[in-house]
Amino acid sequence: QLTQSPSSLSASVGDRVTITCRASQDISSYLAWYQQKPGRAPNLLIYATSTLQSGVPSRFRGSGSGTDFTLTISSLQPEDFATYYCQQLDSYPMYTFGQGTKLEIK
Amino acid sequence: EVRLVESGGGLVQPGGSLRLSCAASGFTFSRYSMNWVRQAPGKGLEWVSYITSSSTTIYYADSVKGRFTISRDNARNSLYLQINSLRAEDTAVYYCAKEGTLVGAPLDSWGQGTLVTVSS
Repeated sequence: QLTQSPSSLSASVGDRVTITCRASQDISSYLAWYQQKPGRAPNLLIYATSTLQSGVPSRFRGSGSGTDFTLTISSLQPEDFATYYCQQLDSYPMYTFGQGTKLEIK
Repeated sequence: EVRLVESGGGLVQPGGSLRLSCAASGFTFSRYSMNWVRQAPGKGLEWVSYITSSSTTIYYADSVKGRFTISRDNARNSLYLQINSLRAEDTAVYYCAKEGTLVGAPLDSWGQGTLVTVSS
């Protein structure tokens, strides 16, 4: 089970934001992050906790290990306002997603 | 460019059936495991089912086991999901997603989704 916090977040362009994902058991580094915009499919941002998928801007950073993980966006851009999901890959292929964090414009 | 296009969704009565399809292009479909993931309206993502490249291994979420059947036709570059005994709680957008070759095998490509609505 994965628990994301906060469930929603308001921020301004240029802000630094952090989203947390906590696993109910040790999942090593087997965690991914996805971004989903309204009406669109999820898009892979980060895998193996901290590796950016090709084409993802460097303002996105993932960190953590074991049970506690974070997604940090260093300087929010207008296109970053979306919902973010973590996904544990430890129980592959029976994936589990976090409940999502909606990032809104303040 | 990887492209996944789902089809087959629609409005169906409780207890009814549908067959969802996912047409794949832009990659060697027969080499990759595939998944179905769903998202109820306004809710989060729920993994539904998984199938290996040669269909030898299949998994289902407990919530759909015994009612859903995943399959694929590598000659047609297509993935399918047969959904039976539909319930209101099955109402969702259903996405097909390709497993990547990256560490941990995250889902690196997704279709646009097809909406299944279960209602009388």
